[in-house]
Amino acid sequence: EPEVTQTPSHQVTQMGQEVILRCVPISNHLYFYWYRQILGQKVEFLVSFYNNEISEKSEIFDDQFSVERPDGSNFTLKIRSTKLEDSAMYFCATVDDRAGANVLTFGAGSRLTVL
Amino acid sequence: DQQVKQNSPSLSVQEGRISILNCDYTNSMFDYFLWYKKYPAEGPTFLISISSIKDKNEDGRFTVFLNKSAKHLSLHIVPSQPGDSAVYFCAADGDGNQFYFGTGTSLTVIP
Repeated sequence: EPEVTQTPSHQVTQMGQEVILRCVPISNHLYFYWYRQILGQKVEFLVSFYNNEISEKSEIFDDQFSVERPDGSNFTLKIRSTKLEDSAMYFCATVDDRAGANVLTFGAGSRLTVL
Repeated sequence: DQQVKQNSPSLSVQEGRISILNCDYTNSMFDYFLWYKKYPAEGPTFLISISSIKDKNEDGRFTVFLNKSAKHLSLHIVPSQPGDSAVYFCAADGDGNQFYFGTGTSLTVIP
């Protein structure tokens, strides 16, 4: 079954460093999302991306965050200068149209630890 | 602004019994609802969904019920199995650009 692939599975970084999280979406999916889950909290929407541009973003997705599809396959989330509170699981997801309805397919996640 | 709420953080059920997980939402524009299951260190996996034009959808041991007037949905698992132990997230979609998730309910099925 097609799957969303995320790398790295775990990254440890120092506060203030830049981090890039990578996602390979399912090939025929057109909508891409980043979500995050801080330990013990809910899954939070960060940003949605369609047709090479951001379609919606949350309050969390401030100027420190950016997304791009640099080579037409990978979908990346960059955090420019990480903060302690950025420590979380970051999930990439893509939309799978099933019978006209949208179902998010998630990757396994990238755990980011900011020290 | 918590548009999707799961008020029970945890639930324990005996194997073979019914598990009922509840979810409430506030936005009447939501027209599609999904349940996801999540094991530790894995991403959420899709379980079952329901459109707002229906009030019930069934898939094997899993049934989702939607009560639009109460803005409430529930997931029933019958019979519950130990492998069902996981965190279950309710999610809602209104426009396809953003899916709103609840905080999750941790289900433990006791053998």
